[in-house]
Amino acid sequence: DAMVIQNPRYQVTQFGKPVTLSCSQTLNHNVMYWYQQKSSQAPKLLFHYYDKDFNNEADTPDNFQSRRPNTSFCFLDIRSPGLGDAAMYLCATSRDRSPQETQYFGPGTRLLVL
Amino acid sequence: KQEVTQIPAALSVPEGENLVLNCSFTDSAIYNLQWFRQDPGKGLTSLLLIQSSQREQTSGRLNASLDKSSGRSTLYIAASQPGDSATYLCAVKAERSGAGSYQLTFGKGTKLSVIP
Repeated sequence: DAMVIQNPRYQVTQFGKPVTLSCSQTLNHNVMYWYQQKSSQAPKLLFHYYDKDFNNEADTPDNFQSRRPNTSFCFLDIRSPGLGDAAMYLCATSRDRSPQETQYFGPGTRLLVL
Repeated sequence: KQEVTQIPAALSVPEGENLVLNCSFTDSAIYNLQWFRQDPGKGLTSLLLIQSSQREQTSGRLNASLDKSSGRSTLYIAASQPGDSATYLCAVKAERSGAGSYQLTFGKGTKLSVIP
């Protein structure tokens, strides 16, 4: 089945140690999104790629970076994780950025920072 | 700036009861509204999507309504079951000011527990 896949499902890292989260999709969608969701909070958009065009949200910390080497894969890099970065990270895709297009979400990666 | 509020934050009901979850948003200039389900530690599953021109959408035991002018939506769940236990989030899609692109703004969700 076409889907959005996130690996790993759980990630433990140490304070300040760089970590990379992975998202892949078999939907061949042009747009890939990264959301951060802290406990009992609303998902918050960090950035998105429209094809190779990177779009950062104004309030996304510089500590968060992203790469999209091809259509199928997108990575979230946290350069120096702090305790406050512990959260669920959700990847989503959509065919394009038209308003009628639905976003399809992956299962998420839960990040724990020790 | 769009804000989405969901009340109550948590709800516990006995099995078989009908229930309503509420969602409100501050800016009525939305394109559509979507209800999601999130199981503990999992991603988001889309349940229903209502376009701004629509009043309601139904899927099985779920019915979502939208009153765009008052900035409100409700999700009605009929004959609740223990398997309905999850967090339910609503999200509105609106155009980012002057950007020509669209953004989903989520509420914090309502955590539903259906007691057998």
